[in-house]
Amino acid sequence: GAVVSQHPSRVICKSGTSVKIECRSLDFQATTMFWYRQFPKKSLMLMATSNEGSKATYEQGVEKDKFLINHASLTLSTLTVTSAHPEDSSFYICSARTGTKRQETQYFGPGTRLLVL
Amino acid sequence: AQTVTQSQPEMSVQEAETVTLSCTYDTSESNYYLFWYKQPPSRQMILVIRQEAYKQQNATENRFSVNFQKAAKSFSLKISDSQLGDTAMYFCAFMKQSNTGKLIFGQGTTLQVKP
Repeated sequence: GAVVSQHPSRVICKSGTSVKIECRSLDFQATTMFWYRQFPKKSLMLMATSNEGSKATYEQGVEKDKFLINHASLTLSTLTVTSAHPEDSSFYICSARTGTKRQETQYFGPGTRLLVL
Repeated sequence: AQTVTQSQPEMSVQEAETVTLSCTYDTSESNYYLFWYKQPPSRQMILVIRQEAYKQQNATENRFSVNFQKAAKSFSLKISDSQLGDTAMYFCAFMKQSNTGKLIFGQGTTLQVKP
């Protein structure tokens, strides 16, 4: 299957600082990437859809000024958690969409564990 | 709006035996995709199997197969000859055939394979 990487795999930061998480599709181009948040033993919650060259589309309840998404190229999307607070601590996962219309699939990155102190 | 329901929060199976995980969904769409993803303790989401709604034939991938019942809106996953490495959380997901490509996930089923 296609490979998606995420960096960093884990980050600890102080409250009030900003953290950037990168998501890369390594062996394919992805016009669309997605950002999810996952709490322990829970399902994935879609935060936003990232489209190359255009503004991200955020899900209801997700603060777009807090979670900045940039999709500057066909292989890279970034999520910046601005002015992070302890309640932002979570596991963040990206995915990249690939395939033709009848073979469409999403492949996931390994996730980033964020801990805000 | 589409919803996906996994009614079994936890299941267990003995190694080498067969287990079936349930998934039902609700949609008014006629063209869509269904997926099963596996999330082991490493938390890396791994695609297990996918099914196109227009195909009547059930998808299979080695020891993994699905029972897709379109009229009943049911999409169960059967794991044959269970292995210890199958221990993971399994998510059923729905994607309608559209430009958004959004996945809608079920709540997940934690599967424990016992030696």
